[in-house]
Formats: sequence, C-alpha cells, structure tokens
Amino acid sequence: GAGVSQSPSNKVTEKGKDVELRCDPISGHTALYWYRQSLGQGLEFLIYFQGNSAPDKSGLPSDRFSAERTGGSVSTLTIQRTQQEDSAVYLCASSLAGGGAPYEQYFGPGTRLTVT
Amino acid sequence: AQKVTQAQTEISVVEKEDVTLDCVYETRDTTYYLFWYKQPPSGELVFLIRRNSFDEQNEISGRYSWNFQKSTSSFNFTITASQVVDSAVYFCALSEALRGSARQLTFGSGTQLTVLP
Repeated sequence: GAGVSQSPSNKVTEKGKDVELRCDPISGHTALYWYRQSLGQGLEFLIYFQGNSAPDKSGLPSDRFSAERTGGSVSTLTIQRTQQEDSAVYLCASSLAGGGAPYEQYFGPGTRLTVT
Repeated sequence: AQKVTQAQTEISVVEKEDVTLDCVYETRDTTYYLFWYKQPPSGELVFLIRRNSFDEQNEISGRYSWNFQKSTSSFNFTITASQVVDSAVYFCALSEALRGSARQLTFGSGTQLTVLP
C-alpha cells in the first residue's frame, strides 16, 4: 500500500518568508509525527497528533513553528519568518495508536528546506 | 529525561565482515521500548525492530541480530556477513510506553556504516 508522502521534496526559500510543508500519512494511521533532521542536531521530535486529542507540541523550537492536522489525515507544518537555522530535512511519520505499546513509526521521504 | 547514545559516528568494514553497532540508553521509566531504524542514502528511514523493556531475549532476523542487556542499558545491533547494500546510517531510538497513546521517539545521533566491496 501507499506509504507516507511529503511535499514538496525540496524547498528553497528566502530568510523571512513563510513556508508550508505537507504530510499525507498512511491511511488508517491515527498518529502523525513531525521530526527535523539537521547536521548539528540529529533527529529531533517536533510535534505529534493522535486522533482528536490535543497535539503534543513540546518539541517545537519556537513560536514560529506551528502544525495542524485536518480531518485526522493530512498535516501541514508551517514555519513563519524562516531563519537560516531552520534549514534541515523535515520528516513526517505515521503509526497506529492505542493499545499498550507504541507502534512502529513509518517515515516519509522528507522535505529538504534550505533558507538562503 | 530520555537519552540515546550511539558512540560510533562512523564504521567502515569490508564486505562479509561482521559488524556491531552500539546503542546505550538512559530512561527513568520502568517500561519502555527500543527501536532500530535504517536510513539508506535515499534518505527514507526504515523500521527494523522494536523491543520492549520486559523482553531481554536476543532476536535474530536473517543476517541481523539484536542484543538487549538491561543491566548495561544497551541494545546493540549486529550485522553478520555484511553486504554493500547494508551501507546506511543506523539509528537507535527509545520511546516510553503510555497505554493507548502515541509517543515520540528519542533518537541517537546515528552510526554511518560503510561496507566496502
């Protein structure tokens, strides 16, 4: 079946502009996660959504970052007033949820963001 | 706070050699889960294994095996008879267990494995 898809695959933007990154999770997965992968910081958790619960935003690095998930499916990560340190690969993952154990997360190919 | 340490930044081996990737973790939780992911040059993270903290039995899957030792807080990954296609960055990750809830992964910094022909 279809995996996690992300768009765009690459995004180059000028410092100060806003960007939107999109994630389409695996159908039926109620949990959706955003991570960031950069050379200096490795893989960092940003935010996750599960069903209709309030998202866990504990990993968002600043208030310039926000995310929403519409209809329990597609998610958009928005970065306002981008800075050069925002340059990274943004990874989305999805998983089943519920039960007594965390399910394995399936990752998308990522969006490579370059802020010039 | 949770932490995962992969002390080996880069490893290079010749094809058919065995190689072990180390992973040491820290957590205050009594119930937790450990994962390994592979990130090939294409960039997409691929799930390899999940183990819970109550199951210390070693696991073997083909050329892959995992050694979980709670006493040393380690979850090491061995590839037997390595192949060039094993070249990738390998990440160890930790997740706490919270019944009914999704939990984020805390990743180690990864180990770049290069298998030379």
